[in-house]
Amino acid sequence: DAGVTQSPTHLIKTRGQQVTLRCSPKSGHDTVSWYQQALGQGPQFIFQYYEEEERQRGNFPDRFSGHQFPNYSSELNVNALLLGDSALYLCASSLFQSNSPLHFGNGTRLTVT
Amino acid sequence: AQSVAQPEDQVNVAEGNPLTVKCTYSVSGNPYLFWYVQYPNRGLQFLLKYITGDNLVKGSYGFEAEFNKSQTSFHLKKPSALVSDSALYFCAVSPKEKGGGADGLTFGKGTHLIIQP
Repeated sequence: DAGVTQSPTHLIKTRGQQVTLRCSPKSGHDTVSWYQQALGQGPQFIFQYYEEEERQRGNFPDRFSGHQFPNYSSELNVNALLLGDSALYLCASSLFQSNSPLHFGNGTRLTVT
Repeated sequence: AQSVAQPEDQVNVAEGNPLTVKCTYSVSGNPYLFWYVQYPNRGLQFLLKYITGDNLVKGSYGFEAEFNKSQTSFHLKKPSALVSDSALYFCAVSPKEKGGGADGLTFGKGTHLIIQP
């Protein structure tokens, strides 16, 4: 039973570029959430997708966008990258509106130069 | 808006001694509370959660946490620490009224737990 998988594991981009990160949820899960973890900080909630729609959003600008596919996998897109976007991006899956905990992937380390 | 405070950046404990990692929270209404652990260059692993019921929650690897509503705290504890418990620990909260325990968690900054042999 595969857990949450994310790709790529590492990525280096230049300021102003665009990036796409990918996530496959744990088998049986239908909801994907994305978090940004800056160095030395706790994860911050970006948004959550369920039934291919954004259901909740944290305090992030609309440079951050996402998508969920019919197979429940998800993408996180960030446009016009800033140096401050450098972070570990974590994908987490769960069952929608349940008491089940989040299952996290190992993350994508994004470095913006 | 909800918030989580983990007042200690680092906790040092000798192997075999009891450990406590502190967490206090602020949320409108009743909370869902979680503890996660993170090892270097890895994602977060779920340890335990408080949803409702008994204030003492038992979780993975011998960890437990006590929910104290009057003090708005959810401290993580273990009776006897192991060197392998050394890691970064995060407390997280979500308001029950949002409908789901896994929705839009707010995390603390994390506490480095160091267990000395």
